[in-house]
Amino acid sequence: GAVVSQHPSWVICKSGTSVKIECRSLDFQATTMFWYRQFPKQSLMLMATSNEGSKATYEQGVEKDKFLINHASLTLSTLTVTSAHPEDSSFYICSARAPGDQTDTQYFGPGTRLTVL
Amino acid sequence: TQLLEQSPQFLSIQEGENLTVYCNSSSVFSSLQWYRQEPGEGPVLLVTVVTGGEVKKLKRLTFQFGDARKDSSLHITAAQPGDTGLYLCAGGSKSTFGDGTTLTVKP
Repeated sequence: GAVVSQHPSWVICKSGTSVKIECRSLDFQATTMFWYRQFPKQSLMLMATSNEGSKATYEQGVEKDKFLINHASLTLSTLTVTSAHPEDSSFYICSARAPGDQTDTQYFGPGTRLTVL
Repeated sequence: TQLLEQSPQFLSIQEGENLTVYCNSSSVFSSLQWYRQEPGEGPVLLVTVVTGGEVKKLKRLTFQFGDARKDSSLHITAAQPGDTGLYLCAGGSKSTFGDGTTLTVKP
């Protein structure tokens, strides 16, 4: 149980284009999902908390107009990187908490490698 | 802001050796999680510790939560090349992550 998927697993795009990444909880409903960014050989950096049916909560320094998050259903959250530039190239990972779990345990997707040319 | 400090940052050992990774904070956590991540993949949950003083074992891995719930350790016995990866501790409602420990086990 508690399986999270991401799509696509990797994407290459041209500078100036937008890219959408999907995060799905496969066997449970997630009212809250999280989006992280990870640079090579570094830890995960929380970008935003995605809440079903409401606006995402962004961490300090993360541009909400640049990284659009939509959590339209209890099993799907999307991250859209708008007008992507090479500095947006990174590994993006989403996670979710299982319902009823009283701990802060998160289950992670396999990640999406974004390369902006 | 709850911060987690992991040490060491890098560890390179020979197969068969033992090792310990530490995760420390000045804040109290209701629980801490340990994850292992391989290159190009998402972190995989190893364990969640909840009770102060708790010890959990997962085959050759032993996890301990400090009595005051401010720190945790991961001990690996007889490390194998398959243990190679990035080990991350995390805790808190916003899952604060430590900086990670990159472990390399040489055959």
